[in-house]
Amino acid sequence: GENVEQHPSTLSVQEGDSAVIKCTYSDSASNYFPWYKQELGKGPQLIIDIRSNVGEKKDQRIAVTLNKTAKHFSLHITETQPEDSAVYFCAASKRGTLTFGKGTMLLVSP
Amino acid sequence: KAGVTQTPRYLIKTRGQQVTLSCSPISGHRSVSWYQQTPGQGLQFLFEYFSETQRNKGNFPGRFSGRQFSNSRSEMNVSTLELGDSALYLCASSGRVADTEAFFGQGTRLTVV
Repeated sequence: GENVEQHPSTLSVQEGDSAVIKCTYSDSASNYFPWYKQELGKGPQLIIDIRSNVGEKKDQRIAVTLNKTAKHFSLHITETQPEDSAVYFCAASKRGTLTFGKGTMLLVSP
Repeated sequence: KAGVTQTPRYLIKTRGQQVTLSCSPISGHRSVSWYQQTPGQGLQFLFEYFSETQRNKGNFPGRFSGRQFSNSRSEMNVSTLELGDSALYLCASSGRVADTEAFFGQGTRLTVV
């Protein structure tokens, strides 16, 4: 089955810096790659996604890139703010089933 | 537009008991998926229902089951509870087409003692 690796497991940055989280997947049939943000005591919140026919997508301070050949995708957050502190999960989807990475705890210090 | 609603939010059960969790998807969504989240294993897929039919199933024992009703609401049941079943159980709803945005509820925190 699909396997998703996510790095780093923890990431500490200063407010205003950029943060990058990387994921790799194993199944070339996966065609949809969402990113979720999970705050303490809450369910995962979809923040951005990308499909296999697109190389890059941007939404304000957040961007995602996908390299299908290398089977990896990345989340980029620019101008980080303390409220960006949370656990971020990448996922790969095939036929509606999401396989998640283990998560990255992002801490943004003021 | 109301989000995904899961009830109850918290549950404490004893080993050997059974439990039923409920999920109401976003209005108009017909696909409901269930995930188990634990610190050790992360988020793991349990099963997905679409139009009252189980469309996909993860690698969990038969003690874990689910169903979906005609109004798209879904329930999952865990029988003969074990300590290792303690977890956050999350429900996600999505639209008609596979591989579209999935929106999660707040989850049900199950503690087995």
